[in-house]
Amino acid sequence: GQNIDQPTEMTATEGAIVQINCTYQTSGFNGLFWYQQHAGEAPTFLSYNVLDGLEEKGRFSSFLSRSKGYSYLLLKELQMKDSASYLCAPMDSNYQLIWGAGTKLIIKP
Amino acid sequence: GAVVSQHPSWVICKSGTSVKIECRSLDFQATTMFWYRQFPKQSLMLMATSNEGSKATYEQGVEKDKFLINHASLTLSTLTVTSAHPEDSSFYICSAREIQGGETDTQYFGPGTRLTVL
Repeated sequence: GQNIDQPTEMTATEGAIVQINCTYQTSGFNGLFWYQQHAGEAPTFLSYNVLDGLEEKGRFSSFLSRSKGYSYLLLKELQMKDSASYLCAPMDSNYQLIWGAGTKLIIKP
Repeated sequence: GAVVSQHPSWVICKSGTSVKIECRSLDFQATTMFWYRQFPKQSLMLMATSNEGSKATYEQGVEKDKFLINHASLTLSTLTVTSAHPEDSSFYICSAREIQGGETDTQYFGPGTRLTVL
């Protein structure tokens, strides 16, 4: 079967760094996406990894290890507006995104 | 990134009526659009995949006669919730796939439509 495993909730302090881990099992693999979703809003695209390694984009970086079925999203210099849910979504062999429940990130002053 | 719009952003209707939701890709052509539903504090659930010029592919458990999807152009897909009932109240989100030079493409989401059926 297809499965996504992310922590349900994480708490971090403004200005700090947080790493959100994701492990996945899919039928085939065509890359992995990270999305941010604020409460009551639609998801917004953050990053895409298809090869192993780290992709850096401003304060956000995403890492992928295909052999381990593992990815993480690293958020630096946390701001209050980063409080949101973060969704790890691998793409299977049919190019379908597989969605988990996401990680709710709470930023405290 | 690419922009996807959705209209209306929220709608309240009476039980038994039909509601149409539009999804548009504003600055790119989308041969494939997706319709999702999300209940409070739950993950996104794919309802159907909409391909321009052909019939939509519905996920298991989604009634195609109740959720009518039309993808008549490369920039517009519509979802019509027919004979809506209170249990259809949800957050409906569309996404459009942007093809990027032959690589695996990114889905960009519309802002969502909050449907409340009284």
